[in-house]
Amino acid sequence: GAVVSQHPSWVICKSGTSVKIECRSLDFQATTMFWYRQFPKQSLMLMATSNEGSKATYEQGVEKDKFLINHASLTLSTLTVTSAHPEDSSFYICSARDLIRDTKNKGYTFGSGTRLTVV
Amino acid sequence: QKEVEQDPGPLSVPEGAIVSLNCTYSNSAFQYFMWYRQYSRKGPELLMYTYSSGNKEDGRFTAQVDKSSKYISLFIRDSQPSDSATYLCAMNSNTGKLIFGQGTTLQVKP
Repeated sequence: GAVVSQHPSWVICKSGTSVKIECRSLDFQATTMFWYRQFPKQSLMLMATSNEGSKATYEQGVEKDKFLINHASLTLSTLTVTSAHPEDSSFYICSARDLIRDTKNKGYTFGSGTRLTVV
Repeated sequence: QKEVEQDPGPLSVPEGAIVSLNCTYSNSAFQYFMWYRQYSRKGPELLMYTYSSGNKEDGRFTAQVDKSSKYISLFIRDSQPSDSATYLCAMNSNTGKLIFGQGTTLQVKP
């Protein structure tokens, strides 16, 4: 089955530094990747949609200069949290879409998430 | 009003009970309906998928979609402690974006 690897699984950083999170599709090509943020006991909130080779599309209220997304290849997307602050502490999850298997709009495979703590 | 509403629970049941989880939604354009299971500090995994209205059964799990009422359900029969997790409903139209419910935390006690 489709596998998405997300790394790191957890990271602690100092306020003001930047953190990069990687999302890789291991056995399929992901033309589209999605980045979500999840607060404790809350749902996944879509932050941005990333298409290979083009600029990401950000959801309303998400700062594109703070959350830099790069989708340079069909198997890798990265999310960089720039100048992180404690309020950026959250669980970040990526999802990759396999358009070959996704014949009925259900081919979303999720990474295992990254817990970011900014101190 | 949120596009998708889901009772966050928590829901606690004894082992062997039948569990009913529900979501309502407001966007009539939604056609694809999914249930995901998420264990603590992990990414969601797809449990059930339904296109348009109807029922779908897979082992102990049954998903129902009633588009006329904008209401979807997930039933778990003979619940097990290993079913303890957060269950998220999700749905989309043809935009490619999944819209999630808040998630219901389920605990099945042995």
